[in-house]
Amino acid sequence: QVTLRESGPALVKPTQTLTLTCTFSGFSLSTSGMCVSWIRQPPGKALEWLARIDWDDDKYYSTSLKTRLTISKDTSKNQVVLTMTNMDPVDTATYYCARSIAALDYWGQGTLVTVSS
Amino acid sequence: SYELTQPLSVSVALGQTARITCGGNNIGSKNVHWYQQKPGQAPVLVIYRDSNRPSGIPERFSGSNSGNTATLTISRAQAGDEADYYCQVWDSSNVVFGGGTKLTVL
Repeated sequence: QVTLRESGPALVKPTQTLTLTCTFSGFSLSTSGMCVSWIRQPPGKALEWLARIDWDDDKYYSTSLKTRLTISKDTSKNQVVLTMTNMDPVDTATYYCARSIAALDYWGQGTLVTVSS
Repeated sequence: SYELTQPLSVSVALGQTARITCGGNNIGSKNVHWYQQKPGQAPVLVIYRDSNRPSGIPERFSGSNSGNTATLTISRAQAGDEADYYCQVWDSSNVVFGGGTKLTVL
């Protein structure tokens, strides 16, 4: 049974760095072809892909946000970590992690992050 | 960068067929995936690789993809199908989502 769970702060201040952790079970990120992505969704708006990390440690970032994002993995802990620097109120959103082989087939429930002073 | 265009909203009468389109330049050459998202919930994959249903997704959900348009078809629409639907492709190893379509079942 595949599960993913996002964790991190619910509230961050402008200019701070956000660190989110995706803890998963039911699969291994060392398996060939396995990937984990981060996606966010501002309230009432569409999904926006942020970053992806592959089983072989290849990393991909949203073109518009790549200067602010870092994705990493700890295969032994079954975790993927996303950091986003210089947070702004427009970054207020629910942040999801999701597994992908072809499509994003399993998603976490998401964690709401509010950026406010 | 690659863009996907979806109608903001689609309405369908209960029991009828809903079609949600996803437009993109030569999208027929890409694999298209579709997600259903109900209020307050995470997205759920309903169609992958244009026309394949994951385990547990009803046969009422089907997909097609050709030319510049991919289509999600929901047959015999039910009240429980009311949700936002997103199409998605991979472009140069990046995920691209459409803007989402709100399906209303009348």
